[in-house]
Amino acid sequence: DSGVTQTPKHLITATGQRVTLRCSPRSGDLSVYWYQQSLDQGLQFLIHYYNGEERAKGNILERFSAQQFPDLHSELNLSSLELGDSALYFCASSVAWGPNDPYEQYFGPGTRLTVT
Amino acid sequence: AQKITQTQPGMFVQEKEAVTLDCTYDTSDPSYGLFWYKQPSSGEMIFLIYQGSYDQQNATEGRYSLNFQKARKSANLVISASQLGDSAMYFCAMREGRGAQKLVFGQGTRLTINP
Repeated sequence: DSGVTQTPKHLITATGQRVTLRCSPRSGDLSVYWYQQSLDQGLQFLIHYYNGEERAKGNILERFSAQQFPDLHSELNLSSLELGDSALYFCASSVAWGPNDPYEQYFGPGTRLTVT
Repeated sequence: AQKITQTQPGMFVQEKEAVTLDCTYDTSDPSYGLFWYKQPSSGEMIFLIYQGSYDQQNATEGRYSLNFQKARKSANLVISASQLGDSAMYFCAMREGRGAQKLVFGQGTRLTINP
């Protein structure tokens, strides 16, 4: 168990709908990352939040948005869903400071999204 | 250009043999970190081992070691005495720069351990 929790574990929805994926980082971790894993694109970085602020954006679609709340949990919102959005969505967290590496990222179990 | 390249889509190894999973990377940043993750069929991503660009020695964690050849920009994962439970997808990833940064992943290698 990595200490990162994600809900729901599975989500099945129809095209055009909107869903929210939730992530709680490990205790003490201020950084939260979202990744998408699909068969054709592999593991892709979506967005990084640090202590409530957006730090970096990857190949995240405009239909997708995220935020990190004061209690450090994060939500990834996916709207106007398309068949191609079906994927495994991971949240990861890491420590954000310290004199030494590695700042390894610990991954949650993922949310498997199926768009029909 | 690919930042992380894993050239072995699949590997089959006999139980108790050692196995090397290849990873090459591309970066111009002098400070970077290299990671290996394991993804079993259940789907979770499990952190295995880390190598920093300034580390002088190869990283080791139990049966896992990282063969870091900086000049060749390679960071191969070596699993000694493989076990059936090692069957999984293995991903090499890189973090450019220091601190909390995104990871860039390779396409992965599917390792199958045969009894």
